[in-house]
Amino acid sequence: KAGVTQTPRYLIKTRGQQVTLSCSPISGHRSVSWYQQTPGQGLQFLFEYFSETQRNKGNFPGRFSGRQFSNSRSEMNVSTLELGDSALYLCASSLGETGDYNSPLHFGNGTRLTVT
Amino acid sequence: AQKITQTQPGMFVQEKEAVTLDCTYDTSDQSYGLFWYKQPSSGEMIFLIYQGSYDEQNATEGRYSLNFQKARKSANLVISASQLGDSAMYFCAISTYKYIFGTGTRLKVLA
Repeated sequence: KAGVTQTPRYLIKTRGQQVTLSCSPISGHRSVSWYQQTPGQGLQFLFEYFSETQRNKGNFPGRFSGRQFSNSRSEMNVSTLELGDSALYLCASSLGETGDYNSPLHFGNGTRLTVT
Repeated sequence: AQKITQTQPGMFVQEKEAVTLDCTYDTSDQSYGLFWYKQPSSGEMIFLIYQGSYDEQNATEGRYSLNFQKARKSANLVISASQLGDSAMYFCAISTYKYIFGTGTRLKVLA
């Protein structure tokens, strides 16, 4: 079974631009979560989608948005990029039925975004 | 609110020895899951082991075991017979309605 696929692996953008990251979950997984990882802040939860609906959201500004499609694939968009948005963005999928607290997350390799 | 604390930013262990990575948590929920993940330098987060809050037995997966002490709210990871490939960042996480990760412990295995 194929794992979680994130594209692209690396991105370099300039301040003010926008970026879209893509994530294809493991087949059969309907929950997709996004995390931002930086050396200073660690792993920060961005949002989670389940069956095309945003189920949870972290404390990030509105410049960060996401969506999930009917095939469970997810995209994350960051508008008006700032230098501080430079990070590793990790996508994870799980079986994650509502209220299911015991499903492990399966992560992709991440997209490393550099904002200059 | 949930919280995960990993107090060891970095650790060294000699190859073939056992090592314990500490993790304490705080939650008011009765039902929760505890997880450990490994992150090599390549960046991918790898799921290692899971412990449910109602599980009475400590979880084991190969060389990994989770020392679960519910009353103390601790969920330490024990790696037996360390290998050079175990060198990585290790994250503890708690899940109720969402996941919260600790700050991680960087483990270096010495030859």
